[in-house]
Amino acid sequence: AQTVTQSQPEMSVQEAETVTLSCTYDTSESDYYLFWYKQPPSRQMILVIRQEAYKQQNATENRFSVNFQKAAKSFSLKISDSQLGDAAMYFCAYRFRDDKIIFGKGTRLHILP
Amino acid sequence: NAGVMQNPRHLVRRRGQEARLRCSPMKGHSHVYWYRQLPEEGLKFMVYLQKENIIDESGMPKERFSAEFPKEGPSILRIQQVVRGDSAAYFCASSPGTGRINTEAFFGQGTRLTVV
Repeated sequence: AQTVTQSQPEMSVQEAETVTLSCTYDTSESDYYLFWYKQPPSRQMILVIRQEAYKQQNATENRFSVNFQKAAKSFSLKISDSQLGDAAMYFCAYRFRDDKIIFGKGTRLHILP
Repeated sequence: NAGVMQNPRHLVRRRGQEARLRCSPMKGHSHVYWYRQLPEEGLKFMVYLQKENIIDESGMPKERFSAEFPKEGPSILRIQQVVRGDSAAYFCASSPGTGRINTEAFFGQGTRLTVV
C-alpha cells in the first residue's frame, strides 16, 4: 500500500529565510504524481506545487521548489524568502493516475517576524 | 468557472441525528473524492465516486456512513446516527473524467461537522 510520511510535525523559520520540509513515500508504481498542499487557517486546501514522477527535473513555482529523489522516494519542499503569509499546515501527497490522493500527516510551519 | 462547492460550511447535529453533506464538483468533473480531517491531522481518504458508481470505498466506516454521486445533482455524504467522534471537517475534491491523466484534484472549502 502507498504511504506518505512527514517526519516534522512543526517547524519554524525566520521571515525572509529559507526552510525545507521533508517528505518520504512508499510505492511500487513507477509513474505517479506528488504534490505539496498548503492549508491556512481558512482550511482551504491550496495546491503549492506538483511533480510528475517521470520527469527528472525538479518542479519550481516562484519561491517554492522541490527536491525529488525518485530512487530514495523522497520529495522535500523548499520555501525561499519566507513570508508571513506562508504560515500554514503543509501536506505532502501522492497520487497514482486518477486514483485517490494519499496525504501525509502534515507539517505546521511558523514564520517568525 | 466555479470551484468545488460544499454545503453547508458548518453543520451542528445532536447525537443520533443524521448529517447530509453536499458536494458539487467543478463543471465537467465526473470524479469525486471525500476526505475526513480530524483536528491537527491530515486528510484521510473515505470514498471515491464516479457518476452513479462507487469506485473505492476502502476508507469508509462500515456502518452509518454512505455516499452517492447521482447522474444529476451533487454528491452526498450521509452519516446516520451521528456520534461525537464524527465531529470533523469533511472535504470533497473533484477531478476531470476518464480518458485523461488527472494530475490534480480541486478541493472544496470543507464542511465542519460538530456533534453535540
